[in-house]
Amino acid sequence: GAGVSQTPSNKVTEKGKYVELRCDPISGHTALYWYRQSLGQGPEFLIYFQGTGAADDSGLPNDRFFAVRPEGSVSTLKIQRTERGDSAVYLCASSPGLAGPNEQFFGPGTRLTVL
Amino acid sequence: KQEVTQIPAALSVPEGENLVLNCSFTDSAIYNLQWFRQDPGKGLTSLLLIQSSQREQTSGRLNASLDKSSGRSTLYIAASQPGDSATYLCAVTGNSGYALNFGKGTSLLVTP
Repeated sequence: GAGVSQTPSNKVTEKGKYVELRCDPISGHTALYWYRQSLGQGPEFLIYFQGTGAADDSGLPNDRFFAVRPEGSVSTLKIQRTERGDSAVYLCASSPGLAGPNEQFFGPGTRLTVL
Repeated sequence: KQEVTQIPAALSVPEGENLVLNCSFTDSAIYNLQWFRQDPGKGLTSLLLIQSSQREQTSGRLNASLDKSSGRSTLYIAASQPGDSATYLCAVTGNSGYALNFGKGTSLLVTP
């Protein structure tokens, strides 16, 4: 079956611009996660959705970052007034939910470059 | 705060060798542990998941063990192949069961 997909695969923007990154989870997965990976580091947790609601957004670095999942499927990560330090690979993952092992499956990521 | 450490940071072995990658974590109150593989410029591929009540999981040439009380996991790769070359990441979830805490990974190179 189809895995997690993310668009765009690459995004180059200028400092101060607004960007949106999209994630399509595996069909039927109720949980969705966003992570950010800087070069040479492991991914860092940003936000977790259970259904439509953000159950934990404690990893968002500041209020320029916001994410939505209005229908409990596709999610969009939004970054306002981008800064050069926002450059990273943004990874999305989905999982069936907490009733079982809750294995997370990752998408290919969006590489964001802020010039 | 949970901290995950992976040793070694990089490893180069000749084809055919068996090898062990190590992962340690500071808080033993985990829900599960996952091992991932990441190829350059790609996303993460889940290799094995061990629930907190389990001791090990196996998939093909891969075997992962978990010693929760000591905060350690190992990934054993048997008969390594050049196609195994990648970065291997270990990650744990806390008792809440969702947010993964990752190590920095072990970069593996298997030479022909």
